[in-house]
Amino acid sequence: EVQLVQSGAEVKKPGESLKISCKGSGYSFTSYWIGWVRQMPGKGLEWMGIIYPGDSDTRYSPSFQGQVTISADKSISTAYLQWSSLKASDTAMYYCARPEGPFGGPIDYWGQGTLVTVSS
Amino acid sequence: DIQMTQSPSTLSASVGDRVTITCRASQSISSWLAWYQQKPGKAPKLLIYKASSLESGVPSRFSGSGSGTEFTLTISSLQPDDFATYYCQQYNSYSAFGGGTKVEIK
Repeated sequence: EVQLVQSGAEVKKPGESLKISCKGSGYSFTSYWIGWVRQMPGKGLEWMGIIYPGDSDTRYSPSFQGQVTISADKSISTAYLQWSSLKASDTAMYYCARPEGPFGGPIDYWGQGTLVTVSS
Repeated sequence: DIQMTQSPSTLSASVGDRVTITCRASQSISSWLAWYQQKPGKAPKLLIYKASSLESGVPSRFSGSGSGTEFTLTISSLQPDDFATYYCQQYNSYSAFGGGTKVEIK
C-alpha cells in the first residue's frame, strides 16, 4: 500500500527555521516525483514545487522560488520542505503529494498534511 | 505561468441536482487537467484526470469534459457525500490549481 506519512504539527516564531518531512512507503521512492502543496487557513490549494528523488531534480513554482527549499534523502525514502526564516504568512497546512509526472499531476496519493503555525 | 480560474466560487444545490463547475486556463493545456474533491480537515481526493478519465473507485455520477482552455466537472445527481470543495489542477507545465468551488447545501 502506497503511503506518504508527514511529520507532526509545528509551532514556530517568526525568523525561526523549520524542516518538515514526508516519508514514502509501499512503492519505489526513487521512481516517482514528490510535490508540496500549501493551503493557507480557509484558502485554496497552491502548488509549491516538486522533486525527483532519483536524481534530486527540483522544480519550484515561481511564487515559491527562493522562499523554501525542497530536498530528499533517498536512503530513507523521505522528502523535505524547509524554511530558513519563517514569517507569519507561512502559517498553513502543507501537504506532500505523489504526482504521476514532472508537472505535478495528477496526484493519486497525498500525505495527511503538516500544520505549521508561525506566531510571536 | 498558466492561471486557472474556477467558477462559481460557491454553489448552493440540493440532493439530486445536476451540478456543473467550470475551470478556465489562461492558455491551452490540451487535456492535462485533473479535478479533486476536498472535505474539511482532509487531503484532496483525485476524481478525474486527463480532463475526462474517471479515477478508479470514483462514482460514475462524476464526469469531466473539455480541452484546450475550458473544462467542466459535472455531478449528475448530487449526493449527501458530495458536499465539499472542488479544485481543478493543470499539469501541462508546472502545476497550478484553480481557486476552488464550494458546493453547499441549499
